[in-house]
Amino acid sequence: QKEVEQNSGPLSVPEGAIASLNCTYSDRGSQSFFWYRQYSGKSPELIMFIYSNGDKEDGRFTAQLNKASQYVSLLIRDSQPSDSATYLCAVYNAGNNRKLIWGLGTSLAVNP
Amino acid sequence: EAGVAQSPRYKIIEKRQSVAFWCNPISGHATLYWYQQILGQGPKLLIQFQNNGVVDDSQLPKDRFSAERLKGVDSTLKIQPAKLEDSAVYLCASSLGLAASQETQYFGPGTRLLVL
Repeated sequence: QKEVEQNSGPLSVPEGAIASLNCTYSDRGSQSFFWYRQYSGKSPELIMFIYSNGDKEDGRFTAQLNKASQYVSLLIRDSQPSDSATYLCAVYNAGNNRKLIWGLGTSLAVNP
Repeated sequence: EAGVAQSPRYKIIEKRQSVAFWCNPISGHATLYWYQQILGQGPKLLIQFQNNGVVDDSQLPKDRFSAERLKGVDSTLKIQPAKLEDSAVYLCASSLGLAASQETQYFGPGTRLLVL
């Protein structure tokens, strides 16, 4: 079992719709959860992080964390073509050499 | 605030040659990471430094890869000799590295390596 799993996609949504990206993790002791966006040919950039159960909203983005079920999701409301990118989930555990464990990413395509 | 700097941006070499990459992290960031990212995959951690000490290098192919972080600031990653499968983007990232909430990693633009 991979430590951090994401559906590779591609996930295709129409412009204006809600895009839902999911991530599951295996280490129950994980503490912080990060969503990064990576445009083709560019470096990853942080969208948001979450470490408490529940929802965290930032503009059109909402991260949802459920530690009991060991999943974290990212919702993108009013999706725009500029949101088309690969979304990487990363999970942090201070007891695991303080390193992030990365998923392989989900490719999102927002169609005009 | 200046971001993470990397050089060179692109490098083409032949197999069995040597190559070195340089990274300058964000000022004040204690933790520095080198990642290898192959097309279509997530970043793979090669080595993680906390100040000038190595925290994790479990996935670094030590027979050909080496890295150092001089004085806890700049870092270099070297490959000697290179293989075809080393063709990838090499990403450097840094973070404050003091607490879980400060583990946000900031990435440099990366170095694209092509081994022929």
